This record gives sequence, C-alpha cells and structure tokens, in this order.
Amino acid sequence: GAGVSQSPSNKVTEKGKDVELRCDPISGHTALYWYRQSLGQGLEFLIYFQGNSAPDKSGLPSDRFSAERTGGSVSTLTIQRTQQEDSAVYLCASSLAGGVSRYNSPLHFGNGTRLTVT
Amino acid sequence: GEDVEQSLFLSVREGDSSVINCTYTDSSSTYLYWYKQEPGAGLQLLTYIFSNMDMKQDQRLTVLLNKKDKHLSLRIADTQTGDSAIYFCAEMPLSGGYNKLIFGAGTRLAVHP
Repeated sequence: GAGVSQSPSNKVTEKGKDVELRCDPISGHTALYWYRQSLGQGLEFLIYFQGNSAPDKSGLPSDRFSAERTGGSVSTLTIQRTQQEDSAVYLCASSLAGGVSRYNSPLHFGNGTRLTVT
Repeated sequence: GEDVEQSLFLSVREGDSSVINCTYTDSSSTYLYWYKQEPGAGLQLLTYIFSNMDMKQDQRLTVLLNKKDKHLSLRIADTQTGDSAIYFCAEMPLSGGYNKLIFGAGTRLAVHP
C-alpha cells in the first residue's frame, strides 16, 4: 500500500524566502509528526498532530516555523524567512493511533524533504 | 530529562556480528525502538522491545535491554553489505501523554568485505 509521501523531495531556497513542505500520511492514520534531521545529529521532534486535538508544538525552534493539518490528513510545514541553519532533512511520519494505543502503533516515515538554504 | 545516546560509527567485516549500543535516560519509557535509515530514505522500523522484557529475537536481530542501566543494544548476526545504514535508537517516554519518540543521533554501520 501507499506509504507516507512527502514533497518536494529536494528544495533549494534563498535565505529570507518562505518555504512550504507537504506531507501526505498513510490513509487512516490519525497521528502525524514532523521531525528535523540535521547532519550528524539525531531526529529533532518538531510538532505532533493527533486527530482533532490541539497539536503539540513544543519542538518548533522558533516562531518562523508553523504547521497545519487540514481535514485530519495532509499536513504542511511552513518556514518563514528561512535561515541557513534551517538547512536539514525534514521528515514526516504517521501512525495509526496515539494516546493509550500509541505503543502498538509504530511510526511510518516518509523519505523526507531535503531543504538547502543558500 | 530526555536524551538518547549512541556511538556514531561502527565498522564490521561481512559475516561478522554487529552490536550497536544505546543509552537512554527516561526510566518511564515503556517501549524502545530500533529504526534503520538507508541513504536517501526515511526511517524504517526494525524492531521494538517492551520494557518488561530483557531480550527479543527476530531472525538475525537480537535486542537486549538492561533497564537498570538504561542500556539497549541491537545485535545483527551474519552482517551483510545490505545492512549498511544508519541505525537509530529511540525511546517513548510516558511523560507528556502523547506519542513522541526521542531519537539518538544514529550509528552509521559500514560493512566491508
């Protein structure tokens, strides 16, 4: 079946420009996550959506970062006024459930969007 | 606090066993995970272990958990060139009440003939 789809796969942008990264989760998955992977570092949690609950935005590094999830499905991560330190691979993941069922619902990752800010 | 640590690099000869180690800090973590990332791809769940287990075996993979020392290891038997990848250890703390995995920096496994 279809996995988590992210677009674009690569994005090069000039410093100061805004970018939008898209994630299509697996159909039926209620939980959606964004992580950032910088060179030589682990995955940094950014934001988590679960159903209709308010998202957990605790990992967003600055107010230049925002994300939304429309209709409980597709999500868009927006970075305003990009900086060179925003260069990284942005990974989206989804899982079937959150809350008390979360342990039996492993995360399925997309292939990521590689963002390069010049 | 939340922190997962791994060594960054491991080199093994094809056919040997690989052991990747990980330490975590949150004792509330009920499940611990190993993910594999091949070049240009996302992370793929390899295996996970429940905290009341000491060991889990799945074909060539063996996971050992020392909950007292908060130490997790992944052993790959008969390592093949296709096993070359980055391996991430992750914990899921109970605190916060939601599904947030905390990842280590990843161990790059290089398999040479």
